[in-house]
Amino acid sequence: AQSVTQPDIHITVSEGASLELRCNYSYGATPYLFWYVQSPGQGLQLLLKYFSGDTLVQGIKGFEAEFKRSQSSFNLRKPSVHWSDAAEYFCAVGDTGFQKLVFGTGTRLLVSP
Amino acid sequence: EAGVAQSPRYKIIEKRQSVAFWCNPISGHATLYWYQQILGQGPKLLIQFQNNGVVDDSQLPKDRFSAERLKGVDSTLKIQPAKLEDSAVYLCASSLAGEAFFGQGTRLTVV
Repeated sequence: AQSVTQPDIHITVSEGASLELRCNYSYGATPYLFWYVQSPGQGLQLLLKYFSGDTLVQGIKGFEAEFKRSQSSFNLRKPSVHWSDAAEYFCAVGDTGFQKLVFGTGTRLLVSP
Repeated sequence: EAGVAQSPRYKIIEKRQSVAFWCNPISGHATLYWYQQILGQGPKLLIQFQNNGVVDDSQLPKDRFSAERLKGVDSTLKIQPAKLEDSAVYLCASSLAGEAFFGQGTRLTVV
């Protein structure tokens, strides 16, 4: 069964600074990987996904993520954080069969002025 | 295209009462998920449907939770009887080709 670890519960970043959120997964085959963002009281919005091909994927809102098979990681990055990026970020891994989707525990991003 | 619709948005019930949530997935999406998200935690998969059939319900507390997907489209999730620890947001999602789209969720408070 697949699993996801997000080691950082909270991260505080100054507005305009760069951001990296960590995600490690466990899955026996090539996984489907996702990053979702959740604002308070809202559902989950897909930021980006990796299925195959180029290991650096671009998403919405200026986010990108890099799949590193050797490290079982799929870290999310953004070069310059905006105050509106403050939210909860979830990494998820899906299998290639029946598409079971498993989430990490999330990282709450706080943006300071 | 219309997104995943869920109702109600909010529900407050007393413990030992029953409650039902409804989900209408995106048209054509064969896979439907119900997740439970407790405050401060990530979503936990309760049940996954592929068309009419159940793919995974290993984390569904079957003594009190039940779910069905009618004709491979709409789905309902029921809790009977509810416990205090069932207070959470219940998220429905549907997917096509591996990409899941989520509804806004139903926030359940059990008092």
